Amino acid sequence: NAGVTQTPKFRILKIGQSMTLQCTQDMNHNYMYWYRQDPGMGLKLIYYSVGAGITDKGEVPNGYNVSRSTTEDFPLRLELAAPSQTSVYFCASSCPACSGYTFGSGTRLTVV
Amino acid sequence: DQQVKQNSPSLSVQEGRISILNCDYTNSMFDYFLWYKKYPAEGPTFLISISSIKDKNEDGRFTVFLNKSAKHLSLHIVPSQPGDSAVYFCAASDRAETSGSRLTFGEGTQLTVNP
Repeated sequence: NAGVTQTPKFRILKIGQSMTLQCTQDMNHNYMYWYRQDPGMGLKLIYYSVGAGITDKGEVPNGYNVSRSTTEDFPLRLELAAPSQTSVYFCASSCPACSGYTFGSGTRLTVV
Repeated sequence: DQQVKQNSPSLSVQEGRISILNCDYTNSMFDYFLWYKKYPAEGPTFLISISSIKDKNEDGRFTVFLNKSAKHLSLHIVPSQPGDSAVYFCAASDRAETSGSRLTFGEGTQLTVNP
């Protein structure tokens, strides 16, 4: 099992550019999440999904969009990159009977 | 509003001694608590959890204690090993079906275990 796979691992964007962070899981988990981690700030929830076709905002959704067309995939879209979006992004998945999340290895994004 | 707070950014202990990491929360709706461990350039990995109906859960060298009246939990690692050096995150959830088991994380504590 690959678990949760995130691509790319690193990316540098210019201000105003767009990109999609990919996330896929092979555990048939219902729930998927996007978090960002800023230094000393812990992980903040951006968006989450409780199943295919259902998404909802988390704590810091501004500047991002998501979709959940399949159980496996949960891409995160940045439309107009800003320096404030420089962060490490983690995708995770879970299920009602799971003890906790399974995280991907993260995407380090720098906006210059 | 930081609902889950880890007040110690860092902790240094000697190998073989006990490590105690602390976490406080403010939301009384939280009923499930977890600890995650994170190495550099990797995603967090689940370590141990505790339900609010318990006050202690043990797994090998790791024990989590929950004091609901004080809204406080702690992670004890005994004995500490150099490989335990990592950032430890405390997290909490209300486990409601509609919330999708969303977790609220603390800021993390960097544990360094010295040989």
